[in-house]
Amino acid sequence: DIQMTQSPSSLSASVGDRVTITCRTSQNIANYLNWYQQKPGKAPKLLISGASSLQIGVPSRFSGSGSGTDFTLIIRGLQPDDFATYYCQQTYSDVFTFGQGTKLEIK
Amino acid sequence: QITLKESGPTVVKPTQTLTLTCSFSGFSLSTRGVGVGWIRQPPGKALEWLATIYWDDDKRYSPSLETRLTISKDTSKNQVVLTLANVDPVDTATYFCARYASSGFLSWFDTWGQGFLVTVAS
Repeated sequence: DIQMTQSPSSLSASVGDRVTITCRTSQNIANYLNWYQQKPGKAPKLLISGASSLQIGVPSRFSGSGSGTDFTLIIRGLQPDDFATYYCQQTYSDVFTFGQGTKLEIK
Repeated sequence: QITLKESGPTVVKPTQTLTLTCSFSGFSLSTRGVGVGWIRQPPGKALEWLATIYWDDDKRYSPSLETRLTISKDTSKNQVVLTLANVDPVDTATYFCARYASSGFLSWFDTWGQGFLVTVAS
């Protein structure tokens, strides 16, 4: 299996801050990397596919980058609605895997 | 509008087989490039991908659960069924189904069901 390592596992930030979440994979996955946002008690929501393609309707303060084994999700100008848990997922292999999640909390 | 909804038993006894159904609308599982996946999340823990079934009836399973999992589809009913045999309390989780979509070689789960909590307990 391709292993996914997200960091940090949790993060405290304030409204208006810029935050960076990273995802590292155990092997080269090119850009086969997706990012999801999950709020408590809700299903995950797809934010970014193909490492950097923002889904329709997702605010432009979200951006993704990276290729190979290192990927980044950046949120610029945090809004109250952004406090949630974020997961990366690889689809390079037919055996999909998710990262362990990054919980973004209000400072 | 694409929707998915999970259903099944809320409580299952250890050693029994769990059967979950994903009923969906707004897309067809006979469309090339489309599939349905199952993902679970134990309370307070991370997402875990379980299985995906594709438009051509190809199937993929999590290696750690492959011997216990079976995924199938009924295209005419717009349903996907997941069975998990010989359940244990560690299988207690919220189970999600999600639509798999692809473009070229890239793919993702773009629409998710609301999730369904299954508790394994005697």
